[in-house]
Amino acid sequence: DGGITQSPKYLFRKEGQNVTLSCEQNLNHDAMYWYRQDPGQGLRLIYYSQIVNDFQKGDIAEGYSVSREKKESFPLTVTSAQKNPTAFYLCASRRTGADYGYTFGSGTRLTVV
Amino acid sequence: EDQVTQSPEALRLQEGESSSLNCSYTVSGLRGLFWYRQDPGKGPEFLFTLYSAGEEKEKERLKATLTKKESFLHITAPKPEDSATYLCAVQAGTGNQFYFGTGTSLTVIP
Repeated sequence: DGGITQSPKYLFRKEGQNVTLSCEQNLNHDAMYWYRQDPGQGLRLIYYSQIVNDFQKGDIAEGYSVSREKKESFPLTVTSAQKNPTAFYLCASRRTGADYGYTFGSGTRLTVV
Repeated sequence: EDQVTQSPEALRLQEGESSSLNCSYTVSGLRGLFWYRQDPGKGPEFLFTLYSAGEEKEKERLKATLTKKESFLHITAPKPEDSATYLCAVQAGTGNQFYFGTGTSLTVIP
């Protein structure tokens, strides 16, 4: 079955450390997204990519970086510049060119230790 | 300013007690409204898409409706397994921008 796989499910980061969250999809979707979810807040867009080798900043891109070298993969790096990284991170994909919604991954819970 | 507001923030129901969740929106050029269910520690799961005022969709005990300013998710005779957070998202403008509400946390008590 097609879907989106996020790994790891739980991740712990030490102060000053960069960590990378993985997101892989086999839905043949062109567009991929990273959202951050905090308690009491709606999903906030970090980065998105509509095509390989191209991506755009979302509303809260500072302290994060991404790459899109393959259609199936859209990893997110949380850098040491992100001062409050503890959150639940969701990767999503969707078809472009039509009014389709998102398919979400199962999420990664990142905690600073 | 484009925004999506969900109410109530939390809702507790007795098993079998029907109710509705609200999603109101102010966006330019609605392309679609989406309802998702999210269980704790998991990603949102797609429920419905609504595209135009007057449209209705049903799935088991859930029914979603859409007007020009809001959407309702009606839950008929809920069961404990319906307990989850329900998210509303609106697609607007060129279609690349989605706006999410903060969700309604539903608890159904046996």
